Amino acid sequence: KAGVTQTPRYLIKTRGQQVTLSCSPISGHRSVSWYQQTPGQGLQFLFEYFSETQRNKGNFPGRFSGRQFSNSRSEMNVSTLELGDSALYLCASSLGDRGGDQPQHFGDGTRLSIL
Amino acid sequence: QKEVEQNSGPLSVPEGAIASLNCTYSDRGSQSFFWYRQYSGKSPELIMFIYSNGDKEDGRFTAQLNKASQYVSLLIRDSQPSDSATYLCAVGGVFGNEKLTFGTGTRLTIIP
Repeated sequence: KAGVTQTPRYLIKTRGQQVTLSCSPISGHRSVSWYQQTPGQGLQFLFEYFSETQRNKGNFPGRFSGRQFSNSRSEMNVSTLELGDSALYLCASSLGDRGGDQPQHFGDGTRLSIL
Repeated sequence: QKEVEQNSGPLSVPEGAIASLNCTYSDRGSQSFFWYRQYSGKSPELIMFIYSNGDKEDGRFTAQLNKASQYVSLLIRDSQPSDSATYLCAVGGVFGNEKLTFGTGTRLTIIP
């Protein structure tokens, strides 16, 4: 069974630009969550999508947005990039329905560097 | 007060010994608890998850949960050099609430 696939693996952008990251979940998984990982703040929850709807949201500014498509694939967009947005962005997928064991599995991440 | 707290380490354990990793959480409504292993430069890998009080064993790994004390731990028996990594404790809400709150991780080094 294929795992969570994130593209691209690496990105270099400059301040003020915008970026779109992509995540394909494990087959059959309908929930996709996004996290930001930095050395100073650790892993922080951005948002979660389930059935094309944002179901949970973390404490990030509106420059961070996302969406989910009917095939459960998800994209995350960051606009007006700042130096502090440099981080590893991780996507995780799970079944997402409220019925039982629901562990999240992570992709390899997209490492975003802002110059 | 941090929501999920872990000792950042580093924790050094001789090969073959038991490594004990601890985590406390502040939200009494938390229902799901996870341990992830993260090698340097890699993404987190799910090791164990536990939802009920008590112990859950999987091979060399045992997760322990005490909701009354808001405490969860991970024991690694017969530690191997390949167990050297950062271990992340993550806490979630009720089933279906996919927001996980992570601790800062404990860096574990197994000494051959």
